[in-house]
Amino acid sequence: AQSVTQLGSHVSVSEGALVLLRCNYSSSVPPYLFWYVQYPNQGLQLLLKYTTGATLVKGINGFEAEFKKSETSFHLTKPSAHMSDAAEYFCAVSGSGAQKLVFGQGTRLTINP
Amino acid sequence: DARVTQTPRHKVTEMGQEVTMRCQPILGHNTVFWYRQTMMQGLELLAYFRNRAPLDDSGMPKDRFSAEMPDATLATLKIQPSEPRDSAVYFCASTLDRLNQPQHFGDGTRLSIL
Repeated sequence: AQSVTQLGSHVSVSEGALVLLRCNYSSSVPPYLFWYVQYPNQGLQLLLKYTTGATLVKGINGFEAEFKKSETSFHLTKPSAHMSDAAEYFCAVSGSGAQKLVFGQGTRLTINP
Repeated sequence: DARVTQTPRHKVTEMGQEVTMRCQPILGHNTVFWYRQTMMQGLELLAYFRNRAPLDDSGMPKDRFSAEMPDATLATLKIQPSEPRDSAVYFCASTLDRLNQPQHFGDGTRLSIL
């Protein structure tokens, strides 16, 4: 079975500051990990994914995430926040095959001018 | 870009009415998911299909919800009779049954049951 915990339902940062959104997972099999972003009144859009191989994964819009097996974490970062990054972010995990996803509760990111 | 298309985008109806939501998956995708999103529960998986066959509908209230795929280009989610607690945003997602393939989401149907 898999589960995901996103630490912090709401994160607020200043424009230009580092963005760090935390995600910890639990999985009984080697996990596939995903970050999705949801803008208002839209569906979820894939930011990045980790399946196998390199543990530092780069995604769209300047985001990246690092898979740390020892810490069961997959935190999302961006060096410099932009106003357009304001959205809700979801971490998700699946077992082999990357089919059925289990989502975290989401983190709402607010960017202050 | 290929997209998952959901109709209607918004639906307001009275309690007890039948509601049908439709989803057109991305052409060539053979796995389709239905999710429900609420403030309280977040994103919940209701059901999913592979090659039009239901694989898991354990997240769906069986007495009033039903999901089908009449053909490879259409998935439907029906609620009969609808209740106020069904008010939510319903998302459809599709993917190809291959390793490493992500799910692609539609923009959802925002359902309000009065």
